[in-house]
Amino acid sequence: GQNIDQPTEMTATEGAIVQINCTYQTSGFNGLFWYQQHAGEAPTFLSYNVLDGLEEKGRFSSFLSRSKGYSYLLLKELQMKDSASYLCAFMDSNYQLIWGAGTKLIIKP
Amino acid sequence: EAQVTQNPRYLITVTGKKLTVTCSQNMNHEYMSWYRQDPGLGLRQIYYSMNVEVTDKGDVPEGYKVSRKEKRNFPLILESPSPNQTSLYFCASSPRGGEPLSYNEQFFGPGTRLTVL
Repeated sequence: GQNIDQPTEMTATEGAIVQINCTYQTSGFNGLFWYQQHAGEAPTFLSYNVLDGLEEKGRFSSFLSRSKGYSYLLLKELQMKDSASYLCAFMDSNYQLIWGAGTKLIIKP
Repeated sequence: EAQVTQNPRYLITVTGKKLTVTCSQNMNHEYMSWYRQDPGLGLRQIYYSMNVEVTDKGDVPEGYKVSRKEKRNFPLILESPSPNQTSLYFCASSPRGGEPLSYNEQFFGPGTRLTVL
C-alpha cells in the first residue's frame, strides 16, 4: 500500500532552525514535493526532490533519501511569516500526488 | 497575471441542490485537478484531467462529476450535494501530468469553501 506521514504540529522560535520530517511508503516513486499553506489560503510550491540529497533554496532546504522513504524540510532563520502548514506529497507510479495531512508550524517570538 | 481562478469562493447550499464550481487557468496547462481538504486528512484528489476530453477518478470521486471540454476550464459538478461534501475545495493545474519532469509544480486556485446544510 501507499502511505505518507508527517508530524501534526511543531513549535519553534523566531530566528532558529526547524526540521520537518516526512516518511512515505510506496512501490512506485516519481519525486517528493513540499508546499507551504497559510491558514485559509492555497498551497504554494516550495521544493521538489527526485534524487537523493539536499536541495537548497534560500532559507529553505529539502532532503530526500529514497532508500529510507524519508524527506525533510529545513527552515533556517525562522521568521514570524513562516507560521503556516507544511505539506509533503509524493508522486506515485501513476503520476498521482499522495498528500500528507500537513505539519502546522507555530513560530514564537 | 498567470493564475488559477475558482468561483464561487464561498457557497452555502442545501442538500440535493445541484451546484457547479468553476475553475479556469490562463497558463495553457495540460493537467488540471480537483482536491478537497478536510481537517486532519490533508488534500485528497477528487478527479484529474491530463488533457482536453481526458478525465480520471482520483481517491474520492463519489458524488462528483467533472468535464474538460476546453483546455482552460475544469468545472466540478455536485449533482446532489450532501452534508459530507462540506469542505474546502481547491482546483490546481500544472504544465503536464504523467511525466516526472525536473519538477511538476502544481498551481492552486484560491479555494472554494462549500457548506451543505
